[in-house]
Amino acid sequence: NAGVTQTPKFQVLKTGQSMTLQCAQDMNHEYMSWYRQDPGMGLRLIHYSVGAGITDQGEVPNGYNVSRSTTEDFPLRLLSAAPSQTSVYFCASSHDRSGGNTIYFGEGSWLTVV
Amino acid sequence: QQQVKQSPQSLIVQKGGIPIINCAYENTAFDYFPWYQQFPGKGPALLIAIRPDVSEKKEGRFTISFNKSAKQFSLHIMDSQPGDSATYFCAAILNNAGNMLTFGGGTRLMVKP
Repeated sequence: NAGVTQTPKFQVLKTGQSMTLQCAQDMNHEYMSWYRQDPGMGLRLIHYSVGAGITDQGEVPNGYNVSRSTTEDFPLRLLSAAPSQTSVYFCASSHDRSGGNTIYFGEGSWLTVV
Repeated sequence: QQQVKQSPQSLIVQKGGIPIINCAYENTAFDYFPWYQQFPGKGPALLIAIRPDVSEKKEGRFTISFNKSAKQFSLHIMDSQPGDSATYFCAAILNNAGNMLTFGGGTRLMVKP
């Protein structure tokens, strides 16, 4: 049982480049989400999905795109990278609405935009 | 607009001390309040959680105190150990919002031997 798997672990991008952060979970969770973590600001929700084919915006969605074609995968796309997108990105998943005890996080993807 | 405010930003205690981390929230529709522990290079991991109809919850050395009327809650770590050194986040989940978390800003705890 791998849990929530994120790739890549580290990435350096040039301003204007595009890339995709991958997230996969093997727990058959319906809910998946992406957060970014910046110093002193905790984690902020970028986009989330409550099931295959359904996505919605979180607190800081600008500059990011998501899709959910399968239950297992929830990729995060940076359309045109900007230095303000330098951050640590975490994918999370959960399988019911009972609260935080079922929310699992990946180990993070460190992204630097130069 | 930060819906969950956390303090202090950093905290240093001696081994055996009782660090206390405080959080306050605005939205009364929040209905679940978890605390997460994060070690460097790792994702957050659930530590303990509470619902607003409960005033206190204890799991091992970790205790949450919840004051619904004041919209505040806090984490106490009893007999703290150097291995507890980590960043702690309080969070809140909005009712019927698909398990999406609103996080506080985090507290970096250092427990000195």
